[in-house]
Amino acid sequence: AQRVTQPEKLLSVFKGAPVELKCNYSYSGSPELFWYVQYSRQRLQLLLRHISRESIKGFTADLNKGETSFHLKKPFAQEEDSAMYYCALSSGNTGKLIFGQGTTLQVKP
Amino acid sequence: GAVVSQHPSWVICKSGTSVKIECRSLDFQATTMFWYRQFPKQSLMLMATSNEGSKATYEQGVEKDKFLINHASLTLSTLTVTSAHPEDSSFYICSARNYGTATNEQFFGPGTRLTVL
Repeated sequence: AQRVTQPEKLLSVFKGAPVELKCNYSYSGSPELFWYVQYSRQRLQLLLRHISRESIKGFTADLNKGETSFHLKKPFAQEEDSAMYYCALSSGNTGKLIFGQGTTLQVKP
Repeated sequence: GAVVSQHPSWVICKSGTSVKIECRSLDFQATTMFWYRQFPKQSLMLMATSNEGSKATYEQGVEKDKFLINHASLTLSTLTVTSAHPEDSSFYICSARNYGTATNEQFFGPGTRLTVL
């Protein structure tokens, strides 16, 4: 079964601390993975996709096929990073996205 | 670029009435759009995949006669909640996949808050 698991509902850190938002997936084929972010009162927007191997707003995510993980990391959290983060898996040719439960990141001053 | 709009942004209706929500891709063509429901502080639940020129594909447990989807053009999909009841109150979000790209990235609309009295 295709599934995305984000084990932490809430992650609270202080400004300047490192952040790691966990994401594990279950998928039988070659996955296409994304991280989406939803800031307060804003629409969902793409943060990262694994095929780009890019760093956006200081965030990076590496696909680990052995551990079936796609954790999101940032070395130094900023207050403006506070938001809801969703890990998502694209399902085959349909392009459907399967979302994890989401993790609220709270960065305290 | 890649902007998706939804109309209306919020709607309040009486129980038993029908409500139509529009989803438009403003600067790109989308052969495929998706409709989600989001409950407070919860993740997005995919309801259906809207395909331009053909029938929508509904997820398990979603009543197709209750949630009518029409995707008549490459830039517009509509979701009609028929005979709405209070339990249909939710935040409905659409997304669109850019026809011209090879990735499965989706662009999301701002959502529509439906309240059924």
